[in-house]
Amino acid sequence: AQRVTQPEKLLSVFKGAPVELKCNYSYSGSPELFWYVQYSRQRLQLLLRHISRESIKGFTADLNKGETSFHLKKPFAQEEDSAMYYCALSGGGGFKTIFGAGTRLFVKA
Amino acid sequence: GAVVSQHPSRVICKSGTSVKIECRSLDFQATTMFWYRQFPKQSLMLMATSNEGSKATYEQGVEKDKFLINHASLTLSTLTVTSAHPEDSSFYICSARVATGGTGELFFGEGSRLTVL
Repeated sequence: AQRVTQPEKLLSVFKGAPVELKCNYSYSGSPELFWYVQYSRQRLQLLLRHISRESIKGFTADLNKGETSFHLKKPFAQEEDSAMYYCALSGGGGFKTIFGAGTRLFVKA
Repeated sequence: GAVVSQHPSRVICKSGTSVKIECRSLDFQATTMFWYRQFPKQSLMLMATSNEGSKATYEQGVEKDKFLINHASLTLSTLTVTSAHPEDSSFYICSARVATGGTGELFFGEGSRLTVL
């Protein structure tokens, strides 16, 4: 069965500190993994995908198939990074996408 | 970028009535749309996958007769909450994926907050 686990509901860090939002998944095939972000009073939007292997707004995420993880990292957090972050998994093609419980990141000045 | 629009953004209805929520992809075609439900401070729960021209695929535990989904065109899916009860009060979010040439990314509507009195 597909499952996405985000163990931290809330993560609070100081500005300039490194941040890592954890995500573990369970899937029998080859999944597509995503991080979505929801800023205050805005809709959900894509932050990054594991396939593209890109850095967006300083965030990166590496798919570790051995540990079935897709942790989101940023070396220096900014206040504007404060938001709700969701890890998501899709089976690919037209398959459904399921979401983790989400982690609220709060970056303190 | 691709835009998904939901309407209405807020709706209040009496118990026992039906409410329809529309989800439109404004600048792309979407053969598949997804309906999620979000409870306060909780994650998005997938309710169903809406397939253009065919029946929706519902997740386990979601009542098909309660939450009617219609996907009559490549740009419109509707969710009708029938005989609404207070426990149906929630935030409903639709999303869509580009039909062809897409990246797998989901584009989300702004959500619809339903309050059943």
